[in-house]
Amino acid sequence: KAGVTQTPRYLIKTRGQQVTLSCSPISGHRSVSWYQQTPGQGLQFLFEYFSETQRNKGNFPGRFSGRQFSNSRSEMNVSTLELGDSALYLCASSLGIPNEKLFFGSGTQLSVL
Amino acid sequence: AQSVAQPEDQVNVAEGNPLTVKCTYSVSGNPYLFWYVQYPNRGLQFLLKYITGDNLVKGSYGFEAEFNKSQTSFHLKKPSALVSDSALYFCAVRDGLGYSGAGSYQLTFGKGTKLSVIP
Repeated sequence: KAGVTQTPRYLIKTRGQQVTLSCSPISGHRSVSWYQQTPGQGLQFLFEYFSETQRNKGNFPGRFSGRQFSNSRSEMNVSTLELGDSALYLCASSLGIPNEKLFFGSGTQLSVL
Repeated sequence: AQSVAQPEDQVNVAEGNPLTVKCTYSVSGNPYLFWYVQYPNRGLQFLLKYITGDNLVKGSYGFEAEFNKSQTSFHLKKPSALVSDSALYFCAVRDGLGYSGAGSYQLTFGKGTKLSVIP
């Protein structure tokens, strides 16, 4: 079974631009979560989607948005990039039930110059 | 609200010695607890989880964790450390009572502990 696939692996953008990151979950997984990882803050929850519906959103500004498609693939978008948005963005998929583990992709490393 | 604390940013241990990485948590209901490991330039890999039952949970690569309800702790342990265990370790918690926040089974992570095993 293929794992969680995130594309692209690396991105370099400049301030003010926007970016779209993609995540393909493990086949059969209906839940996709997104996390921002930075050295100082650790993993910060961005949002979670289940069957195309956003179930929860973390404490991030409205510049951060996401969506999930009918095949469970998910995208997240960051508009008007700021230097502080530089981070590793991790996607995780699961069956969406509370006692199940998350399966993580390798992440997209975003650098904002 | 649920939260996790990993009190040590870094743990150094000599190869062959036992290791412990500490974690404490706070949830409203019964906790679902997880440990993940992250190697450089990689995503997180699942090590083990506690849902219910035995307080000592065994996981991948010889790791185990001890659940202590009275101390709200879930420390990760290994009897004999290997150099290859050097990595970043994350503890995580989910409220087993049901939805947390606005209808989500959100997993909350600690800030991570960097483990260095010295040859």
